[in-house]
Amino acid sequence: DIQMAQSPSSLSASVGDTVTITCRSSQAISTYLNWYQQKPGKAPNLLIYAASILQIGVPSRFSGSGSGTDFTLTISGLQPEDFATYHCQQNYNTPRTFGQGTKVEVK
Amino acid sequence: QVTLRESGPALVKSTQTLTVTCTFSGFSLSTSGMRVSWIRQPPGKALEWLAHIDGDDNKFYTTSLKTRLTVSKDTSKDQVVLTMTNMEPADTGTYYCARATVGAPITGWFFDFWGQGTLVTVSS
Repeated sequence: DIQMAQSPSSLSASVGDTVTITCRSSQAISTYLNWYQQKPGKAPNLLIYAASILQIGVPSRFSGSGSGTDFTLTISGLQPEDFATYHCQQNYNTPRTFGQGTKVEVK
Repeated sequence: QVTLRESGPALVKSTQTLTVTCTFSGFSLSTSGMRVSWIRQPPGKALEWLAHIDGDDNKFYTTSLKTRLTVSKDTSKDQVVLTMTNMEPADTGTYYCARATVGAPITGWFFDFWGQGTLVTVSS
């Protein structure tokens, strides 16, 4: 199974900051990498698929990059509604696997 | 409008079998490029993909739970059912069903619609 490791596990930031979250896979997965946002008590919400394609309706302050084993999610100009937990997920093969999540908290 | 909704018991006892049902609308599992997946999340922990099924009845399971999981579909009811045998307290968590779709071969699969989840507590 492919292991996904996110860093950091949590971070503190202020509104307006630029935030970067990293996801690393245990083997090369090309660009078969998705990002989700999850707020407390809610289901995850798809932000980015194929490493860098923004899902319809997702604000352009979210961006993704990377290929192979190293990926990043960047939030440029953090907004109050962006404080949440972010998860990466590989769809290179089955079983699908997720990272452990990164919680973005208010500084 | 795509929707998914999980239903099942809130509480099960150790060694019992869990059955959760996903009722969906707004899409057909028979359509090429559609799957329904089950994903769970223990309280305060990471998401864990469990299984998926497609319209051709192809099924895949996560490696560590393969012997305990069964996924099935009822096309006439637009439902997908997950059963997990021999439940234990470590299986406590929120169980989600999600639609998986593939934008194009180069994009791979992603979970674009999720149910609200159903919390299952396993008592010892």
